[in-house]
Amino acid sequence: AQSVTQLDSQVPVFEEAPVELRCNYSSSVSVYLFWYVQYPNQGLQLLLKYLSGSTLVKGINGFEAEFNKSQTSFHLRKPSVHISDTAEYFCAVRSSNTGKLIFGQGTTLQVKP
Amino acid sequence: GAVVSQHPSRVICKSGTSVKIECRSLDFQATTMFWYRQFPKQSLMLMATSNEGSKATYEQGVEKDKFLINHASLTLSTLTVTSAHPEDSSFYICSAGRVAQGPDTQYFGPGTRLTVL
Repeated sequence: AQSVTQLDSQVPVFEEAPVELRCNYSSSVSVYLFWYVQYPNQGLQLLLKYLSGSTLVKGINGFEAEFNKSQTSFHLRKPSVHISDTAEYFCAVRSSNTGKLIFGQGTTLQVKP
Repeated sequence: GAVVSQHPSRVICKSGTSVKIECRSLDFQATTMFWYRQFPKQSLMLMATSNEGSKATYEQGVEKDKFLINHASLTLSTLTVTSAHPEDSSFYICSAGRVAQGPDTQYFGPGTRLTVL
């Protein structure tokens, strides 16, 4: 079975500051890793994904994440955030042998002016 | 990119009635659709996986007779909440994917907010 832990439930940060949202996973099989963003009362939008290859993946809106197999982590980073980045962020894992996505608890990113 | 729609976006119903939520893939054929439930300030919980033309596979703890799922075509899946009660109030989100074509082809709908009075 797979599980995902997002270590921070809320992350307040000032505009133009860097941010890191932490995600750790556990799995006995190889996995695919995703980060999604959810704005209020909306569905999920894919930010980026790791399937294989380079461990540093770049996504939309200036976000990037690094897959670290030894630490079973997939932290999301952005060097300079904007007010519009305020949203809920979900890390998710998908096992290589099923189609199911397992989500973390979510991290609320609150960007302050 | 692929677009998934849900209808209705919001629904309010009386306790004891049934509500149907539609999930459509607008520009691709979805061999698999997933239904999730999200409580306020919480994560998404997978309820069931449906494959076109076959019965849905429900996650542990999800009542099959309560949440009826039909995936009659490659572009449409429906979730019917039968005899709804206030505890069924939630945000329901579907996703559609072409699992056989790769692990990243899962696209999410905008969600349906159900309020049961």
